[in-house]
Order: sequence, then C-alpha cells, then structure tokens
Amino acid sequence: EDQVTQSPEALRLQEGESSSLNCSYTVSGLRGLFWYRQDPGKGPEFLFTLYSAGEEKEKERLKATLTKKESFLHITAPKPEDSATYLCAVQGNNRKLIWGLGTSLAVNP
Amino acid sequence: EAGVAQSPRYKIIEKRQSVAFWCNPISGHATLYWYQQILGQGPKLLIQFQNNGVVDDSQLPKDRFSAERLKGVDSTLKIQPAKLEDSAVYLCASSRTGITEAFFGQGTRLTVV
Repeated sequence: EDQVTQSPEALRLQEGESSSLNCSYTVSGLRGLFWYRQDPGKGPEFLFTLYSAGEEKEKERLKATLTKKESFLHITAPKPEDSATYLCAVQGNNRKLIWGLGTSLAVNP
Repeated sequence: EAGVAQSPRYKIIEKRQSVAFWCNPISGHATLYWYQQILGQGPKLLIQFQNNGVVDDSQLPKDRFSAERLKGVDSTLKIQPAKLEDSAVYLCASSRTGITEAFFGQGTRLTVV
C-alpha cells in the first residue's frame, strides 16, 4: 500500500538553527515527490518536485533531496518567516497523490 | 499569471442545509482537484477532473457530495445535506497535467453547526 510518513510532527527552532524534515515513502513506481509549504488559513504553496533518487533542488534557505526511500527538506539558517507546516506528497504509477500529515515548523526570533 | 480562485472564503451553515463552492483554475490547466482538509491533517482528495471528465472520485461521499466541471474550466462542489463532520477547509487545485505539480487556491473554510 502506498504510504507517506513525515517526521517530526512538530519542530521548534531558534533563528539560525539549521535542521531537516523527513518524508519517508512507500510507493509503487515513483513518478514524483512534491514538497509544499502551508501557512495558517491558506492553501498549500508549491515548493519542489523531485523525480529520481539523487536529485536535489534548492530555493533560498530550503534544499530538498531524494533517495529511494525518503526525502529530506533541509532548512539552513531559518528565519521566523519560515514558520509554517511543510507537506510532502508522492505520486506513483497509479498517478494518485498520497499526502503526509505534515511537519509544523516554528522558528523563534 | 493569475492563481487558482475560490469562493467563498468562509461559510457557516446549519446541519442538513446545502452549500456550494466555486473554483476557477489557472488558465490552461487541464487537471482540477477538490480536496478536503481537516485541521492537522494533510489534504484528502475528493475528486479529480481531467478537462471535464472525472478521473478519480473514489473518496467522494456520493450520497451527499457532488461536483461538476462544465466546459473543462470552472468547477463547483456541492454538499447536500451537510453534516457536522463536513466542517473542514475545501481546497481547489489545478495542474497542467495529472502528473505535474498542483497549485492551490486559498480554500473555503466550512463550519457546520
């Protein structure tokens, strides 16, 4: 059964304290892994798509990496404005998007 | 480029009443999704359209929920009659195809009392 597990559920960091969020997945034939950011009261905002193991993508303080079993979202020197819930979703051969429950990130000034 | 537009932003109704949500996707996007998101959870797919045809509605409670996408552009999602457990945020998203990244609207927060 296709499955996505995100950890930790919640993370509190001090401004400038780098860390990583994890997205572990089980899917039949990975077509894509997607990272989104969601602010309270808003729809998810697209961040990255990763298609194959070894692929990496960066945007400002965020860097996403992918292996055959998991993806990491690395946050370097985070700022308070990076506080949000980060969602991971995977799409397999059946083309259905399977979503994780998200990691709630709080960055204290 | 204009994003996904949804209305209304908020809606409060009594149980057993009906409600409808509207979505206008990004121009040129063939795929449209309706999701239900309960606080603290990831989005749950209700229905996926490819142009004006239904691709996946396996998790749509068809006894009370209905959706249509006329002319392959705008879409409406209706709930009739509403139950307390339908209280959630209803998100519309669109993508160029069914295997590319999806872009979301702001959502409609529904409260059923």
